[in-house]
Formats: sequence, structure tokens, C-alpha cells
Amino acid sequence: DGGITQSPKYLFRKEGQNVTLSCEQNLNHDAMYWYRQDPGQGLRLIYYSQIVNDFQKGDIAEGYSVSREKKESFPLTVTSAQKNPTAFYLCASSIEGNEQFFGPGTRLTVL
Amino acid sequence: GEDVEQSLFLSVREGDSSVINCTYTDSSSTYLYWYKQEPGAGLQLLTYIFSNMDMKQDQRLTVLLNKKDKHLSLRIADTQTGDSAIYFCAETPSLSGNTGKLIFGQGTTLQVKP
Repeated sequence: DGGITQSPKYLFRKEGQNVTLSCEQNLNHDAMYWYRQDPGQGLRLIYYSQIVNDFQKGDIAEGYSVSREKKESFPLTVTSAQKNPTAFYLCASSIEGNEQFFGPGTRLTVL
Repeated sequence: GEDVEQSLFLSVREGDSSVINCTYTDSSSTYLYWYKQEPGAGLQLLTYIFSNMDMKQDQRLTVLLNKKDKHLSLRIADTQTGDSAIYFCAETPSLSGNTGKLIFGQGTTLQVKP
């Protein structure tokens, strides 16, 4: 089955720690995206990547970092510089310029 | 800049029609999308409409696009309790080039009462 997987489903972080969220897709999509979702708000774009070894900042990139070493994988690191990281994080992929397909999400909670 | 607005909440009775509305600001948007999100899950693409169309129907779903008023709506016929979810409107802004970036509305929570 083709799709997008995110892990873990739930993640707890202590203040001052970096954590990495995994996103993997086997759809052979070139483009991948990371969004943050807060209650009552739409999705806000953190980072996106159109091709391996290249990525661009979205609207709220501060306190986050990404890498794109393989086409299938686009991990997101939430650094200690992100002061309010508790949120639901969604990864998506697309064939360039077309509709995005989403993973099931990771809920990050800061303790 | 680009903006997408939706009302936050809609409540209907099972069997009635639901109409979820969305307004957007970028008159040059190429595609407009409707996504569904069930609790604790990712977003599922429901349907989309190309900007040169004014209507698209897919089983119980009807999308209407009024480009003059920059208004998009999603009608769900014979609404079922399984349709309870958050519905997001999204557009492909013209300035995004071919990056695939989407601008999302805040989401409309649809509550279906038995």
C-alpha cells in the first residue's frame, strides 16, 4: 500500500530538548511539506522541499530544522529555540504542483 | 497577501444537506481544494475544483465556485453522522509558482446530530 507514515503518533518533550519527527512516503512524490496545526486554526507551513537535498522555509520556520537526504524521507527537528512547540504536526507530499496527501500526524506535548 | 476564511462551526441534522462556505482573496488561484479531518487524524482530500470551472459534483458532494465573489462552497447531501469532522478549504496561490504550496482556511467543524 502506498502512503505517508509519521512516527511517533504521540511525543513528549521536556523543555530544552530537541526532538525529531519522522515522515516517510512511498508514493514517489518529489515534494514534501511540514505543517503545524493549533486548535481552532488552519495549517501553517513550517518547511517544504521540492527535491532531494533542497528545502525552503515556510511561514513559521523559526525554531525548526529539516533535512531531505532521501526522496522518501523528510524529518522535522523541533529545537529548543521553538518556545511554544506543543501542537499537532502534519507531513504531506505531492507530485509537483498537484494535490497534497497527508500523513496521520504526530501530537507533540511539552512537559 | 493571500487569505482564506471559513466559518468555524456548522450543526445539521442527519439526513439534511450541509453547506460549508469559504472565501479567498487570490483571484488568480489555480486550484481550490476541500479536505476532511477526523479527530486526531491527518487530512483527507475530498475533492478539488479547477479555477476555470464553476461546479463539480462527486456523489454526495457538490462544489460551487463563484470567481467573481471569490467564494467556494461544499454541499454535502444527505449528511450522515460519519460526516462529522473538520472541513478545510485550501487554495493554490498564484505566487506559489509550481511549489505546490497551499493556503488553508481555519477549518469548519461540522456537527451532525442524529
